[in-house]
This record gives sequence, C-alpha cells and structure tokens, in this order.
Amino acid sequence: DQQVKQNSPSLSVQEGRISILNCDYTNSMFDYFLWYKKYPAEGPTFLISISSIKDKNEDGRFTVFLNKSAKHLSLHIVPSQPGDSAVYFCAAIPRFLTGANSKLTFGKGITLSVRP
Amino acid sequence: AAGVIQSPRHLIKEKRETATLKCYPIPRHDTVYWYQQGPGQDPQFLISFYEKMQSDKGSIPDRFSAQQFSDYHSELNMSSLELGDSALYFCASSLARVENIQYFGAGTRLSVL
Repeated sequence: DQQVKQNSPSLSVQEGRISILNCDYTNSMFDYFLWYKKYPAEGPTFLISISSIKDKNEDGRFTVFLNKSAKHLSLHIVPSQPGDSAVYFCAAIPRFLTGANSKLTFGKGITLSVRP
Repeated sequence: AAGVIQSPRHLIKEKRETATLKCYPIPRHDTVYWYQQGPGQDPQFLISFYEKMQSDKGSIPDRFSAQQFSDYHSELNMSSLELGDSALYFCASSLARVENIQYFGAGTRLSVL
C-alpha cells in the first residue's frame, strides 16, 4: 500500500514558467515532509522540507505548501530552469519516528522536464 | 562540504554469491540509513544505525545484514544473492539529534546475473 503518492509520473514545463509537483499521503501520522531531487546516476539530493506545524516553507525558487486537512503537499519551482530537469521524490516521516528512527517513506517520484 | 561516500559504485555478482557495500557518512553524523531502489520503484528503507547500534529495521531480507563500525562507517552484507536483489542501494546519513534531513550518497548499483 503506497502511503505517499505522486500520481503524475511526469511533468513538462517551459523554461521560466512555474512547475507544480504534487504529492498526497494517506498516513495521518506523517508530520514531516521532504522533497528530494535526483539526477540519473546520482543519489537523491535534499531540496526543501516542511513540518506539519507550518503550511508553507520557502527557499529561493522552491516553495513547499502543506494542506494537512487534504493530506496534500506541493512543490512549486519558480522560475523553472532546464537544470531543474530531474526526478523529484516526496518523502514523509511519522511523528513517532523522528530523530534516530526517522526512516523515510518515499513516493514513486515525478520526472520533471523543463524545455528551453 | 564532505558528502556521503558509497563504494563501490557498481558491482556485478553471480547468483548465490555474496556482496559487501560500504558507506562513509558525513563527518559527525550519528545515524546511517540504507535504502534499496528497484527499477522504476521508490527507495525502500532497509535498516538504520544510531551511534553504532541498530535503531530500526525495515523490509530487509534475512540474507542481508549490516553493521556500523567505531568510525561510523557502515557495511551492508548480502549473501546468497538472487536476481531480484539487482537494484540501487543508497546510504544516507543524518545528525538525528538535530534534524530529520537525510543526506544521500550516490548509491551502489548491484547487478546479479
């Protein structure tokens, strides 16, 4: 049972426009969420995270929004650049597993292509 | 800045052979995690160590074992390899006392023939 869902396997946007990557979760115990970017032949690279006590976190071109009631989060990239083309994973940690036991539960990832 | 180092990057083994994957965490990080990513799949948690003690265990086969050494590096030992073990194996580390962010290595691609 996939507890973190990234239902759109791919997204293509024009350079300079906004990219919106969506993620849904089913486990109400998740309370810390992370986005990772992955290029081929490399490991996942941490992008941005958000705690359940917030509904928005911003870092440069990247903003993550969290809607707890809908169990939904989204990553906005503005403006999108060709170098942003990669696979983006949403991941979550349950409340009772923070700290040393904070294993990540991943979604299946979204392949973002930014067209020049 | 130093990152998580994994070796080897690529490994080819025959069925029923054994494999050892190594992970060197970011200096001063106290927790190491191992994940397995099959083709077209999301990374799945295998096992973690905090201060050299196993802290959590996921869907790790009994044929696999792991440990964390006094210098905090970790090794994942895989025996009686099966074709289905072919995957990317990622190691991640974190400073668990401070934050939930895990930093990943480049991974080891294991191919079992």
